[in-house]
Amino acid sequence: DQQVKQNSPSLSVQEGRISILNCDYTNSMFDYFLWYKKYPAEGPTFLISISSIKDKNEDGRFTVFLNKSAKHLSLHIVPSQPGDSAVYFCAASSRSGTYKYIFGTGTRLKVLA
Amino acid sequence: DAGITQSPRHKVTETGTPVTLRCHQTENHRYMYWYRQDPGHGLRLIHYSYGVKDTDKGEVSDGYSVSRSKTEDFLLTLESATSSQTSVYFCAIRPGQGDLGYGYTFGSGTRLTVV
Repeated sequence: DQQVKQNSPSLSVQEGRISILNCDYTNSMFDYFLWYKKYPAEGPTFLISISSIKDKNEDGRFTVFLNKSAKHLSLHIVPSQPGDSAVYFCAASSRSGTYKYIFGTGTRLKVLA
Repeated sequence: DAGITQSPRHKVTETGTPVTLRCHQTENHRYMYWYRQDPGHGLRLIHYSYGVKDTDKGEVSDGYSVSRSKTEDFLLTLESATSSQTSVYFCAIRPGQGDLGYGYTFGSGTRLTVV
């Protein structure tokens, strides 16, 4: 029972264009969402977060949008760069007090030069 | 890297043998987690700890046990390794305070192969 889903296993985008990575969740108790980026042979690194009281959060080239009614979030990367090529995981948590995050299956982004 | 190290980085072991993976942190963070990463499954929580000697199960805990006898070390043990436990294992840490948006810091991972 996958509570956090990333339905696109892979995505290819031209350098300079926008990359949009999507994530859906089923648990309405989730109220914090994160995006992580992972390069091969390395651990995931934190990218950006959003809480359920917001519908948008920006950090440089990265913007996360949250649609609570649709239980959907997306990560926009503008402009995309070859160094953005990595696997991206979304993760969700609720205020359980133990800070457990449930991760999606990941989307492999390839930015073509 | 960011005060968290995993050892060993790679291990090959035989089916039926016990295996222990170590996660060591220098951040004095309260929360520590073990995840496994598998194709098509993403990152799945095995066990976590919310303090010394305080641990709990995650979503895929069968066949694994953990121990945390001091703040800096969180050990993951495969009691009797099986081929289905071939995976990449990640340890993560998090301080106890702050909002949820802070997220985890992950280690570099341990690639375990059970033959």
